[in-house]
Amino acid sequence: AQKVTQAQTEISVVEKEDVTLDCVYETRDTTYYLFWYKQPPSGELVFLIRRNSFDEQNEISGRYSWNFQKSTSSFNFTITASQVVDSAVYFCALSGPTGGGNKLTFGTGTQLKVEL
Amino acid sequence: DTGVSQDPRHKITKRGQNVTFRCDPISEHNRLYWYRQTLGQGPEFLTYFQNEAQLEKSRLLSDRFSAERPKGSFSTLEIQRTEQGDSAMYLCASSPLGGSSYNEQFFGPGTRLTVL
Repeated sequence: AQKVTQAQTEISVVEKEDVTLDCVYETRDTTYYLFWYKQPPSGELVFLIRRNSFDEQNEISGRYSWNFQKSTSSFNFTITASQVVDSAVYFCALSGPTGGGNKLTFGTGTQLKVEL
Repeated sequence: DTGVSQDPRHKITKRGQNVTFRCDPISEHNRLYWYRQTLGQGPEFLTYFQNEAQLEKSRLLSDRFSAERPKGSFSTLEIQRTEQGDSAMYLCASSPLGGSSYNEQFFGPGTRLTVL
């Protein structure tokens, strides 16, 4: 069975602060994929990033960066110099190999509030 | 290129009534997924189609739920004899099987169901 844990329910920061959202996963698959999605107040899930289990390179995209560590089964997400527009619920998700349908198992989400 | 669309966006119904939701995926996406999201939780997988074939159903999908994708394009999700516990956001997502975006699921805006 697959499981994703996002222990942080809610985080509040002041604009321009850096913030890290934690994600820990469990899976028995040797091939798997990890994702982060953003859900703004409008409700639509927005895809942010996909990583596969064979690629542990960290990635940076603008103010976003991701730290994937298989040894600790973690896939953490950092926003640098946060902005009010970053306020949203962020979900970490996990899927198995393509042959298994790639259905996503989501964590419970972290509500990020960025204040002026 | 249009995204995933869902109709209706909101549905209020009385307990015991039947409801049907529609999802139009991104054209040429082979896979279509249905998820359910309750307040404060991450989306939970319900079922998925590859073209017109329904390949997996979650145990969450009771016999009151049925989904179809008759021509491998749009899909419908029907709930019979609705119960108050069915109140949730129903999300549809689609995904290509190949190309640079394979395994990425693109979500629609959701249908929010309220059962009175």
